[in-house]
Amino acid sequence: EAGVAQSPRYKIIEKRQSVAFWCNPISGHATLYWYQQILGQGPKLLIQFQNNGVVDDSQLPKDRFSAERLKGVDSTLKIQPAKLEDSAVYLCASSLEPGNRAIEYFGPGTRLTVT
Amino acid sequence: DQQVKQNSPSLSVQEGRISILNCDYTNSMFDYFLWYKKYPAEGPTFLISISSIKDKNEDGRFTVFLNKSAKHLSLHIVPSQPGDSAVYFCAATPGVAGGTSYGKLTFGQGTILTVHP
Repeated sequence: EAGVAQSPRYKIIEKRQSVAFWCNPISGHATLYWYQQILGQGPKLLIQFQNNGVVDDSQLPKDRFSAERLKGVDSTLKIQPAKLEDSAVYLCASSLEPGNRAIEYFGPGTRLTVT
Repeated sequence: DQQVKQNSPSLSVQEGRISILNCDYTNSMFDYFLWYKKYPAEGPTFLISISSIKDKNEDGRFTVFLNKSAKHLSLHIVPSQPGDSAVYFCAATPGVAGGTSYGKLTFGQGTILTVHP
């Protein structure tokens, strides 16, 4: 079974530029998550999708971050414009279904450096 | 507001000995707890979990203990192996009583475990 795929793996941009990350979840997984992991901290949930609908985006800085999951499979996360404090690893995860017994499977992440 | 805390940034143990990683939480709505393991340049992978109705769960060399009254859980690895060297994250999630937070994972900061041969 293929795991969660993410691209690119690394990205370096200047502040005020825009960037987009792509995620392909495990086949059949209805729930998709985007996390932000700042160095020295644990992952923090940004947004959760159930199929192609948003379940929770309370932690997403909506003035600069946006995400979509068209057709309920792949997802993209965009930052526009980027700030220095956006430097982090962006992790995508998926699970078969939501709920607090759901095991989330993580992709390798995209390491973003904003200079 | 750090609801899940791993107060030891790092831990170093000798191969064959026991590794004990600790985690404290503050939110009494948490009723399911998980440990994830992360190697460099990879995403976290699920290791073991425990429900709040239990105080112990074992899977091979890995055992998780939960002390609800102290809001504390620990992960024991016996015996430790060099391949266990990784960052370990504790995570917790509320039950239905958590309302809109139901099912949302809150992670600790992680503990870097190094197992020396």
